[in-house]
Amino acid sequence: EAGVTQFPSHSVIEKGQTVTLRCDPISGHDNLYWYRRVMGKEIKFLLHFVKESKQDESGMPNNRFLAERTGGTYSTLKVQPAELEDSGVYFCASSPENSYEQYFGPGTRLTVT
Amino acid sequence: GENVEQHPSTLSVQEGDSAVIKCTYSDSASNYFPWYKQELGKRPQLIIDIRSNVGEKKDQRIAVTLNKTAKHFSLHITETQPEDSAVYFCAAAWTNAGKSTFGDGTTLTVKP
Repeated sequence: EAGVTQFPSHSVIEKGQTVTLRCDPISGHDNLYWYRRVMGKEIKFLLHFVKESKQDESGMPNNRFLAERTGGTYSTLKVQPAELEDSGVYFCASSPENSYEQYFGPGTRLTVT
Repeated sequence: GENVEQHPSTLSVQEGDSAVIKCTYSDSASNYFPWYKQELGKRPQLIIDIRSNVGEKKDQRIAVTLNKTAKHFSLHITETQPEDSAVYFCAAAWTNAGKSTFGDGTTLTVKP
């Protein structure tokens, strides 16, 4: 079974540019989460999809971040325009319906210069 | 909202010694406490978890204990090996299939 995949693995962009991160969850997993780890701190929750619906987006920092999950399969997280403080590692995780266990992707390291 | 504190931030032990990492949480509604191990350059992986109706759980060399009254839980690794070196994260969650709140992580180094 393929695990959670994320693309790209690394992205370096300039302040003010746009970046789109992609996450492909494990097939059949209804729950999809986005997290971010900034500068060695905690892994911080951004939002949670159940299928194509946003269940909880309380962790989204501001309206420069837009997450989508059209069709309830893969998800994208767009940052526009990027700021320096957006640098960090963005993780995606997925889990089956009614399950506690979350399976993480390898993360996308975003550097904003 | 939930707040999770994790200590220590770094831990260095000799191979064969035990390692203990402690976490506290603030929301008494939290009922699921997973531990993740992240090796350098790899994804966080669930290594053990415990639910609020259990006080202790073991899996070979690792164990987790939970004190609901005090709102703290701990990871215990016995007979540590160099391959145990990694960053360990604790987390707390309160809804089925809901978000997890993580601690800051502990960097464990096991010296051969």
